[in-house]
Amino acid sequence: GQNIDQPTEMTATEGAIVQINCTYQTSGFNGLFWYQQHAGEAPTFLSYNVLDGLEEKGRFSSFLSRSKGYSYLLLKELQMKDSASYLCAVRDRDAGNMLTFGGGTRLMVKP
Amino acid sequence: GAVVSQHPSWVICKSGTSVKIECRSLDFQATTMFWYRQFPKQSLMLMATSNEGSKATYEQGVEKDKFLINHASLTLSTLTVTSAHPEDSSFYICSALWQNYGYTFGSGTRLTVV
Repeated sequence: GQNIDQPTEMTATEGAIVQINCTYQTSGFNGLFWYQQHAGEAPTFLSYNVLDGLEEKGRFSSFLSRSKGYSYLLLKELQMKDSASYLCAVRDRDAGNMLTFGGGTRLMVKP
Repeated sequence: GAVVSQHPSWVICKSGTSVKIECRSLDFQATTMFWYRQFPKQSLMLMATSNEGSKATYEQGVEKDKFLINHASLTLSTLTVTSAHPEDSSFYICSALWQNYGYTFGSGTRLTVV
């Protein structure tokens, strides 16, 4: 089975930087994904890591350490529209490459 | 590319009736589709994995006779909630596997059973 943990809620200030952590345990790790989800909408893809290191995409970056079972999503220059849930998901090759989601982190950006 | 169209966006039905949700891959062939359910303020929970032309694989605790999944073609998968009850009210989302690691999500269906 898989165990994916991330904080339930976080609050940050507009213009600041926030880091959302995710830890996981899986037998057949085959990639980690970060998604953004606004209330009532489907998740939208943010990033994908399968090798160790940092992937940068504009204001969003994602880091992976496979040996530690750890990832983080870094959001810079926060904007009000970044208020959403951020979902960490792990793909397991031993489970047909299905995605298992963490509980999600609800981020609230305040002025 | 890699668009999944999900219909309906929302549906209200009476308790005891059945509801069908469709997911179509518009510009690619989806051999595998995943169906998720999401309750308010919770994350996505995988219900089942469907592969074109074969029976769906259900996650533990998901009743296969209640949530009927059909994946008869490479572009269409359907989820039918049979004999719906108020506790089935939820947000249902499909996802298709695209090009090895890309997962494309439908827009979701908000089901309310009254």
